[in-house]
Amino acid sequence: AQTVTQSQPEMSVQEAETVTLSCTYDTSESDYYLFWYKQPPSRQMILVIRQEAYKQQNATENRFSVNFQKAAKSFSLKISDSQLGDAAMYFCAYRSAWGGSEKLVFGKGTKLTVNP
Amino acid sequence: DAGVIQSPRHEVTEMGQEVTLRCKPISGHDYLFWYRQTMMRGLELLIYFNNNVPIDDSGMPEDRFSAKMPNASFSTLKIQPSEPRDSAVYFCASSFEGIRDSPLHFGNGTRLTVT
Repeated sequence: AQTVTQSQPEMSVQEAETVTLSCTYDTSESDYYLFWYKQPPSRQMILVIRQEAYKQQNATENRFSVNFQKAAKSFSLKISDSQLGDAAMYFCAYRSAWGGSEKLVFGKGTKLTVNP
Repeated sequence: DAGVIQSPRHEVTEMGQEVTLRCKPISGHDYLFWYRQTMMRGLELLIYFNNNVPIDDSGMPEDRFSAKMPNASFSTLKIQPSEPRDSAVYFCASSFEGIRDSPLHFGNGTRLTVT
């Protein structure tokens, strides 16, 4: 079974600075998808960014980018120019690309604090 | 689109009572998922459906939990009888298989408190 590990339970960053959240995963599959979700205090789960394993280019979405290292099974999230609204729990998630395996497996999350 | 709609947003009940959580997925989505979130265990998948058929219920903790999807636009998660350890936030999510990297779209969750 696939597992996702987020080794940083909490992180903090100064407003306008850059922070990187770590995620590693374990799988024997060659094709899969990786996601980062944000959960603010409102508890809504918001998709931040997604990456497909066969794509070598790292995904970017505005201030959010990933460093995808397939051989190392690492999928870190970089937030640039951090804003107060970025404060939230961040979850890394894995999904198999095999048909019929649509479920997401989540890490335990990293709580990000943004200091003014 | 209104997104995934869950009700109620909060539920407080006494131990032993039956609890029913409801979910309306995004129209056109063919997968529906029920997750439970607790501080200790994080986000756990309880069960998921494809085209209204349960595919994997291995995450359902015990027989007190049951889930149904009578049609493409409605699903329920029932706990009977409820226990204090069932207190958690329960999320419903849906997705569309036709998009290769389709993410899950989550509802706002139901916070269940069993006293």
